[in-house]
Amino acid sequence: GEDVEQSLFLSVREGDSSVINCTYTDSSSTYLYWYKQEPGAGLQLLTYIFSNMDMKQDQRLTVLLNKKDKHLSLRIADTQTGDSAIYFCAEKEVAGYALNFGKGTSLLVTP
Amino acid sequence: NAGVTQTPKFRVLKTGQSMTLLCAQDMNHEYMYWYRQDPGMGLRLIHYSVGEGTTAKGEVPDGYNVSRLKKQNFLLGLESAAPSQTSVYFCASSQDVYEQYFGPGTRLTVT
Repeated sequence: GEDVEQSLFLSVREGDSSVINCTYTDSSSTYLYWYKQEPGAGLQLLTYIFSNMDMKQDQRLTVLLNKKDKHLSLRIADTQTGDSAIYFCAEKEVAGYALNFGKGTSLLVTP
Repeated sequence: NAGVTQTPKFRVLKTGQSMTLLCAQDMNHEYMYWYRQDPGMGLRLIHYSVGEGTTAKGEVPDGYNVSRLKKQNFLLGLESAAPSQTSVYFCASSQDVYEQYFGPGTRLTVT
C-alpha cells in the first residue's frame, strides 16, 4: 500500500497535551484511524474519521484532518502515564478491506 | 463477551514445521483478518475473509493459508515455517468495513 508516515517517538510530561502526527498519501476517499497498542497487547481502536471531516472530538482525544496536506493529528489532552503506548495511524479506502498502517509513534509520558 | 481471542499466545517452531493459529470472535462479525507485525513496522494484512466460507489474499499472503469454515473462527496455517515468518500475528474482526477489533496477538518464533 501507499506509505503512511509517523514520527517514531514523542515524550511529554504528565498533565501536558500530546500531539501525534501522521501523513498519508492515498488520494481516494478514505477512512483514517488511530489505534493504541500497550506493551504485549493487541491494538485498541481509539477513534476514526472520514476524509470529508475536519475534526472529531471524543473526551480527551481530538483528531484534526488537513485534507490539502494529507495530514492527520491526534491530540491527547491532560496526558496521563497510562497513555504511554505506541499509537498507530492507519488509512483505508472506502471500498477496501485492508488497513494500511504507519510504523507507529511511541509515546512516553513522564511524571 | 470475550471479543477476539487467539490461540496460542506464544509458539516456537523449527524451520519446516507446520502449525495453525486459531482466531475466534464472539461478536457475530462478518469480516475477519490476519495481520503480521514486524519490529519497527506497522501491521501488514496477510489474508482476510468477508464471510463464512470465503477467503482472500492481502498484502503478504505467500507462505500462509487460511480457512473460514465457521463464521466465528478464522484459521491461519503455516505449512512449512521459515525464519522470515518470525513475527507477531494479530487477528481482527469487524461487522462492517469501518471498525476492526483486534485480538491480543500470537508471538511466533521460527528457528
